[in-house]
Amino acid sequence: DAGVTQSPTHLIKTRGQQVTLRCSPKSGHDTVSWYQQALGQGPQFIFQYYEEEERQRGNFPDRFSGHQFPNYSSELNVNALLLGDSALYLCASSAQLAGQETQYFGPGTRLLVL
Amino acid sequence: DAKTTQPPSMDCAEGRAANLPCNHSTISGNEYVYWYRQIHSQGPQYIIHGLKNNETNEMASLIITEDRKSSTLILPHATLRDTAVYYCIVRVHYNQGGKLIFGQGTELSVKP
Repeated sequence: DAGVTQSPTHLIKTRGQQVTLRCSPKSGHDTVSWYQQALGQGPQFIFQYYEEEERQRGNFPDRFSGHQFPNYSSELNVNALLLGDSALYLCASSAQLAGQETQYFGPGTRLLVL
Repeated sequence: DAKTTQPPSMDCAEGRAANLPCNHSTISGNEYVYWYRQIHSQGPQYIIHGLKNNETNEMASLIITEDRKSSTLILPHATLRDTAVYYCIVRVHYNQGGKLIFGQGTELSVKP
């Protein structure tokens, strides 16, 4: 059973560019959450997608947007990249089971903005 | 802000039990305690969660105090591969999912 997968593993961009990161959830999961982890910090919640809609959003600007596809996979888009967007971007998938929901994380995409 | 307090770092000898404490004095009655760990540069790994009863799985045990204001994650026989940052998180099981709020965690170093 494949776990959560993310692509690419590493990415280098320059300021002002746009980037798209991809996530495939664990089999049987229908919810995808995205987190940003700066060096030396804990992950910070960006947003969560369920049934192709953004269900919850953290304190991130509109430059950060996402999408969920009918197969539950998801994309994170970041426009007008800033140096401060350099981070590890984590995707987590989950599903409701007996009233509980546990998030399982992928390996992450490391983004470097120059 | 994270609703938990953890020591920034701990050491443990290989083969001994690692006991990682977490304070969550403002926890609400419907909030669960979750533990994740993150090995350097990898995604966080789910370990265990509980509401008020002690829980055990193949990775660890979770002991929650009766007043639910603190908990302890126990790794019964720590190995070098258990060296990681351990995060204690409290969250509600919303029917519509819910974000995880990570604090700084405890950096556990298992030494030979």
